Amino acid sequence: DAKTTQPNSMESNEEEPVHLPCNHSTISGTDYIHWYRQLPSQGPEYVIHGLTSNVNNRMASLAIAEDRKSSTLILHRATLRDAAVYYCILRRRSGSARQLTFGSGTQLTVLP
Amino acid sequence: NAGVTQTPKFQVLKTGQSMTLQCAQDMNHNSMYWYRQDPGMGLRLIYYSASEGTTDKGEVPNGYNVSRLNKREFSLRLESAAPSQTSVYFCASSPGTGFEYTQYFGPGTRLTVL
Repeated sequence: DAKTTQPNSMESNEEEPVHLPCNHSTISGTDYIHWYRQLPSQGPEYVIHGLTSNVNNRMASLAIAEDRKSSTLILHRATLRDAAVYYCILRRRSGSARQLTFGSGTQLTVLP
Repeated sequence: NAGVTQTPKFQVLKTGQSMTLQCAQDMNHNSMYWYRQDPGMGLRLIYYSASEGTTDKGEVPNGYNVSRLNKREFSLRLESAAPSQTSVYFCASSPGTGFEYTQYFGPGTRLTVL
């Protein structure tokens, strides 16, 4: 399976934008890029996903590089509640993508 | 609409004891999952149930059994607990097992085996 690489930790100031990078140089053409986050002492929650085009939803934006070897999760205005571990996950379109394969993720700290 | 609920929230066992972790979802999802998360690591799949009446092994099934009791409920049983099973256990559900489906997670059960 294709793997993802993320920085271990990042810091941001409250109400500023945050760009969380993810490298996936061995991504295949049928892999979707998903992002989940895990708030302290909670289960993971879905953030956003995409294939080739940039995607926006109420929580965040996902910018995907033209060669798809990297992507960036963008939180437009970080709040204290956004402090969490963010996981970048590849899910294959073909076959059964039954499990989410979590790496170690990026611990985001939001400073007041 | 509670989403995915798990009981208990915390549990301490002695080595060799048995217990069952309960999970229920009220979203009418077909698929349910059990993951474990060890300190500083991502989640790993233990077992999953693609639909009512079916269960399959995930990445780390040894030492566990599961039962898909009905569409809503999916339980995880430890027959003889070992210290290596100290972990946080998360249940999740999704409409199906395909790549396009979001998984919704419960709040977790924190298990310590002494």
